[in-house]
Amino acid sequence: GQSLEQPSEVTAVEGAIVQINCTYQTSGFYGLSWYQQHDGGAPTFLSYNGLDGLEETGRFSSFLSRSDSYGYLLLQELQMKDSASYFCAAGTLGDNFNKFYFGSGTKLNVKP
Amino acid sequence: DAGVTQSPTHLIKTRGQQVTLRCSPKSGHDTVSWYQQALGQGPQFIFQYYEEEERQRGNFPDRFSGHQFPNYSSELNVNALLLGDSALYLCASSLVGTGPTYEQYFGPGTRLTVT
Repeated sequence: GQSLEQPSEVTAVEGAIVQINCTYQTSGFYGLSWYQQHDGGAPTFLSYNGLDGLEETGRFSSFLSRSDSYGYLLLQELQMKDSASYFCAAGTLGDNFNKFYFGSGTKLNVKP
Repeated sequence: DAGVTQSPTHLIKTRGQQVTLRCSPKSGHDTVSWYQQALGQGPQFIFQYYEEEERQRGNFPDRFSGHQFPNYSSELNVNALLLGDSALYLCASSLVGTGPTYEQYFGPGTRLTVT
C-alpha cells in the first residue's frame, strides 16, 4: 500500500524556524510535494522535490532523501499567517500520468 | 487569470441519493483530479481525467464516477450516498500536456453532508 507519516501537530513562536518531517512508503514514487491549507480553505502548492537535496523558495525550503524515503519542509522567520495545516504528498507515476498520496497533515500553531 | 472553481459550495443530501459536483479548471490547464478530504485528514485521490478519459483511479468504489468535457471542465458523480461520503470534495487542475506534472491548483471545494 501507500502511506505517508507526518506529525499531527507542531507549535512554534513567531520568528522561529520549524521543520515538518514526512516519511513515505509508495510504489512508483517520483517526487514529494508540499501543500499548505488554512482552515476552510483550499490546499495551495508550496514546494516540490523530484531529486535529492534542498529546494528553497523564499522563507520555505523542502528537502528529499530518496534513499531514506524521507523529506521535510522547513519554515523560517515564522509569521502568524503561517498557522495552517501542511501536507506532504507523494507523487506516483503510471503510464505518463501521475497521482498523489497525501499525508494526514501537520497542524502548525504559531504563537506570538 | 481564472483559478479553479467548484460548485456548489455546500450540499446536503440524504442516504441513497445521488449527487453531482462540478469543477472548472484553471485557465490553460487540461487535467482535472478529484479528491475527498474527511475532517482532519489529508485529501484522498479519487480519479484523474485527461482528454475526457479517466487516466488514474484511487481506491474508491464504482459508486464514484466522473466525466470531463471538451472544455476541460469536469463532474464528479456519487451514487447511493452513504453517511461516510460526507466530506469536502476538492478538484485540482494541472497541465499535463505531453508529460506528468507535480504542481496542482486546488479549488475551494464542495462540502457534502449526507444525513
